[in-house]
Amino acid sequence: DVKVTQSSRYLVKRTGEKVFLECVQDMDHENMFWYRQDPGLGLRLIYFSYDVKMKEKGDIPEGYSVSREKKERFSLILESASTNQTSMYLCASSSYTGGVQPQHFGDGTRLSIL
Amino acid sequence: DAKTTQPTSMDCAEGRAANLPCNHSTISGNEYVYWYRQIHSQGPQYIIHGLKNNETNEMASLIITEDRKSSTLILPHATLRDTAVYYCIVYNAGNNRKLIWGLGTSLAVNP
Repeated sequence: DVKVTQSSRYLVKRTGEKVFLECVQDMDHENMFWYRQDPGLGLRLIYFSYDVKMKEKGDIPEGYSVSREKKERFSLILESASTNQTSMYLCASSSYTGGVQPQHFGDGTRLSIL
Repeated sequence: DAKTTQPTSMDCAEGRAANLPCNHSTISGNEYVYWYRQIHSQGPQYIIHGLKNNETNEMASLIITEDRKSSTLILPHATLRDTAVYYCIVYNAGNNRKLIWGLGTSLAVNP
């Protein structure tokens, strides 16, 4: 089975801090994704990457950046955390074989910014 | 991107079939229908997907109407562990591999 592991289930940080969320997948997938999930808004795509060192903006990239130095690892960075970034963050990965492979998700990081 | 419409919530008795509907009337010919579910405090889990034909796997069956404007996910013998939010998503493989998520259907399986 595909395993997507997010480094923390719960995280509490303060406003203005630089926050790193880490995600690792073990299936040699090309594509990796970062979403945030908020009540009433569903899952929204922040950034995705289809190859090492490649990244593309999703629907809500403002206030975030990403890093993909190795194929198995995709990091989400909150450059200067703000309270409106309190959310559930979900990482996903998928292989690319004609573009119809399902995304596999980690269990999420619930981030609170105080 | 094609949008989907799902009921906000549904109930089902344990052991009975759960039939979850989804409308996607603006779907185009190269767009797939995907179903995921999210159990409380977990990440979404892939269930099944299809293009035109009905599909079945160990988790569920997917029935797509001939005009492809709607589909139904069937859990043949629902258990309490199937209580979750179910998302129907129309996926365009050419659209930068993005999934467009709605709010899904909250399915409660009752004993």
